[in-house]
Amino acid sequence: GENVEQHPSTLSVQEGDSAVIKCTYSDSASNYFPWYKQELGKRPQLIIDIRSNVGEKKDQRIAVTLNKTAKHFSLHITETQPEDSAVYFCAATFSSGSARQLTFGSGTQLTVLP
Amino acid sequence: DTAVSQTPKYLVTQMGNDKSIKCEQNLGHDTMYWYKQDSKKFLKIMFSYNNKELIINETVPNRFSPKSPDKAHLNLHINSLELGDSAVYFCASSQGRGYYYGYTFGSGTRLTVV
Repeated sequence: GENVEQHPSTLSVQEGDSAVIKCTYSDSASNYFPWYKQELGKRPQLIIDIRSNVGEKKDQRIAVTLNKTAKHFSLHITETQPEDSAVYFCAATFSSGSARQLTFGSGTQLTVLP
Repeated sequence: DTAVSQTPKYLVTQMGNDKSIKCEQNLGHDTMYWYKQDSKKFLKIMFSYNNKELIINETVPNRFSPKSPDKAHLNLHINSLELGDSAVYFCASSQGRGYYYGYTFGSGTRLTVV
């Protein structure tokens, strides 16, 4: 069935280092791949997304890459700061009957150590 | 000013009770969703409505019944609550049917069944 696998489940980095989170998906028709950040006790918030017609997108310290052939996409955070500590979720679109929906990965707890 | 608002924020109730969670969005979006986030942070879709029409109905016990009186509102009613229903329930909305646009989440309702 529809599946999004996300790795690692936990990630600790030193402040200033880079962090990379990877996801794979199973539906070759998936065409939209957003990333969400969820701080403790708060709602998930969209931080960046990529559509299937591009291979990379960057917004300041965060970037996302997409490899449609291999069906995987990654989130890259450079120059990490303590406020980047949160749970990050990847997602991909899947068909559900006549509708399409986002299916989320299982999340990555990122901890940035000062 | 809140884009997607849910009430209540916290809900503590006894097993067997019936409860409702309300959601409203002022973004003019066409599609609304209910997601359940369990203790391991996994986000799983429950229902989706597009312009008051149910378009996604995942495998959810029929004790859960969504209702959308108009495209700005999506409520969730839960009958005969069980311990396993304890979770955070997020409402979300998106433009169109959501497969090209990210979701905007509400602040969540933490349901505790005792």
